[in-house]
Amino acid sequence: GENVEQHPSTLSVQEGDSAVIKCTYSDSASNYFPWYKQELGKRPQLIIDIRSNVGEKKDQRIAVTLNKTAKHFSLHITETQPEDSAVYFCAANYPFGNEKLTFGTGTRLTIIP
Amino acid sequence: DTAVSQTPKYLVTQMGNDKSIKCEQNLGHDTMYWYKQDSKKFLKIMFSYNNKELIINETVPNRFSPKSPDKAHLNLHINSLELGDSAVYFCASRPKLGHSPLHFGNGTRLTVT
Repeated sequence: GENVEQHPSTLSVQEGDSAVIKCTYSDSASNYFPWYKQELGKRPQLIIDIRSNVGEKKDQRIAVTLNKTAKHFSLHITETQPEDSAVYFCAANYPFGNEKLTFGTGTRLTIIP
Repeated sequence: DTAVSQTPKYLVTQMGNDKSIKCEQNLGHDTMYWYKQDSKKFLKIMFSYNNKELIINETVPNRFSPKSPDKAHLNLHINSLELGDSAVYFCASRPKLGHSPLHFGNGTRLTVT
């Protein structure tokens, strides 16, 4: 089955700086990689996703890059704001057999005002 | 309208009791899931149903029994609750397998005393 590793587990950045969270996956067949943001006491919510046939995707201050050869993908947040503080999860979709999304272990991002 | 709704939001009960959590989605999705989020925030898949058929059953004690009366509903019944069952349980749905994100419910915080 798929295994997803996520780093770092905690990250503190000054407001206005950039934050980068990295994930690696184990199975080269994985084809879809969403990122979720979970605020305290709330449900995880999708913020951006990327398919395996795309190398990069951007949505305003958020971007995701995918390196299929190295089997890693990263979330980039620029011009960070206090409301970016949350736990972020990456995930990888293994499309064969009992298809499912496997989540990384999460990164607690704190934006320092 | 809430797309994926769970009840109850909070559940406090004693060891040994039996309890149920209900989930409904009005998105017309075919696939529904139960995820468990422990105190370390790890999101682990428990079960998945596709059109009322169980397709994923991770290594979960058989005290946990999911039931899907139709493709819009997925309930979770837990027998003989233990302290280690304390967690937040998220229901989620997905339009189709493949390149599609999970939509999470607001979660049920279960506390076993």
